[in-house]
Amino acid sequence: DIVMTQSPDSLAVSLGERATINCKSSQSVISSSNNKNYLAWYQQKPGQPPKLLISWASPRESGVPDRFSGSGSGTDFTLTISSLQAEDVAVYYCQQHYTTPYTFGQGTKLEIK
Amino acid sequence: QVQLQESGPGLVRPSETLSLTCIVSGGSINNYWWSWIRQPPGKGLEWIGYIHYSGSPKYNPSLKSRVTISVDTSKNQFSLRLTSVTAADTAIYYCARVHPHGWSDYWGQGTLVTVSS
Repeated sequence: DIVMTQSPDSLAVSLGERATINCKSSQSVISSSNNKNYLAWYQQKPGQPPKLLISWASPRESGVPDRFSGSGSGTDFTLTISSLQAEDVAVYYCQQHYTTPYTFGQGTKLEIK
Repeated sequence: QVQLQESGPGLVRPSETLSLTCIVSGGSINNYWWSWIRQPPGKGLEWIGYIHYSGSPKYNPSLKSRVTISVDTSKNQFSLRLTSVTAADTAIYYCARVHPHGWSDYWGQGTLVTVSS
């Protein structure tokens, strides 16, 4: 199985400041056939199911605010929130969908400082 | 807008079988893959498996001997069976639609299943 490791486990950021969450996979999740990274980011607020934010490591889903961005390739990826808003408090997960079993990172809890 | 709704017992006895159904509305079950994902209370997400609308399930090896996912296209729904449950199977169970390239783009609200005598 591909192991996904996120850092940090928790993060406190002031409103309006930048938040950065890292995700590392135990093996590359980039496909040689299309040169795409099979890496997704989800946001989960308390009592809600996860919400897809980013697919292919960087393109945002429709309706996701542009303060959210994804970057990285191969085994190292980053989710950045450029200017933290109160509604961004949540747990964030990365997931590799390169090979089954699809695996998630352990989650990063983002709070307001 | 595609919507998914899980249904099934909220309490299952140890050693018995957990059975859940996910009803898909607002779109056809055809032409997609459909998955089950679970989350123990206060913990992270675990991919259980998925199934194509035409069949061909794929399971997490950690659960493979105990899990069955099936699909009923006539009812626009798919199901999960997990046998010989223990307290470790207590979790919120989510059903989700799987984009052809693997990410889950629509999720149900989830249903808490507690394994207890």
